[in-house]
Amino acid sequence: GAVVSQHPSRVICKSGTSVKIECRSLDFQATTMFWYRQFPKQSLMLMATSNEGSKATYEQGVEKDKFLINHASLTLSTLTVTSAHPEDSSFYICSAREGAGGYEKLFFGSGTQLSVL
Amino acid sequence: GQNIDQPTEMTATEGAIVQINCTYQTSGFNGLFWYQQHAGEAPTFLSYNVLDGLEEKGRFSSFLSRSKGYSYLLLKELQMKDSASYLCASMDSNYQLIWGAGTKLIIKP
Repeated sequence: GAVVSQHPSRVICKSGTSVKIECRSLDFQATTMFWYRQFPKQSLMLMATSNEGSKATYEQGVEKDKFLINHASLTLSTLTVTSAHPEDSSFYICSAREGAGGYEKLFFGSGTQLSVL
Repeated sequence: GQNIDQPTEMTATEGAIVQINCTYQTSGFNGLFWYQQHAGEAPTFLSYNVLDGLEEKGRFSSFLSRSKGYSYLLLKELQMKDSASYLCASMDSNYQLIWGAGTKLIIKP
């Protein structure tokens, strides 16, 4: 199947710093990428939908100025957590949709565990 | 509102069969998905149902009843590597996936 690479897998940072997470589709072009966060024993929560070349669509309650998303190319989307605080500590996962296919063609990155001290 | 319900945790024995249930209520319906997620890893796609009935894929099968808002994932001949969380997700009328909290499956020898 297709591969989505997410980096870094784990990051520990001080409160107030910014953290950038990269999501790359390695062997296909992803016109749409999705960013989720997941707390322990809870479901995936969609944060935003990112379309190449246009502004991301954020879900209700997600601060767009805090979670900056850039989808500059068909293979790369980045999520920057600005001025991170301990409450931002979570597991962040990206997914990419291959072409215009159905959700069977939705592939996930390996996730980033963010810990803010 | 939109809601997905599935058990929090289940335990089964290696070699046995286990059924994980999921009930859903979403605004419109465009299919029901099951994903497997090992701890600290990304979810991987298992199955997709949009019509009523049973879809079989090797050791894993998935069933859907649209009238009842109900699905189950059936795992046969359980192996230790099947220990994972199983996520149920319903696609609503806007083609958004609504995720359940996942069922943690523990396999014992």
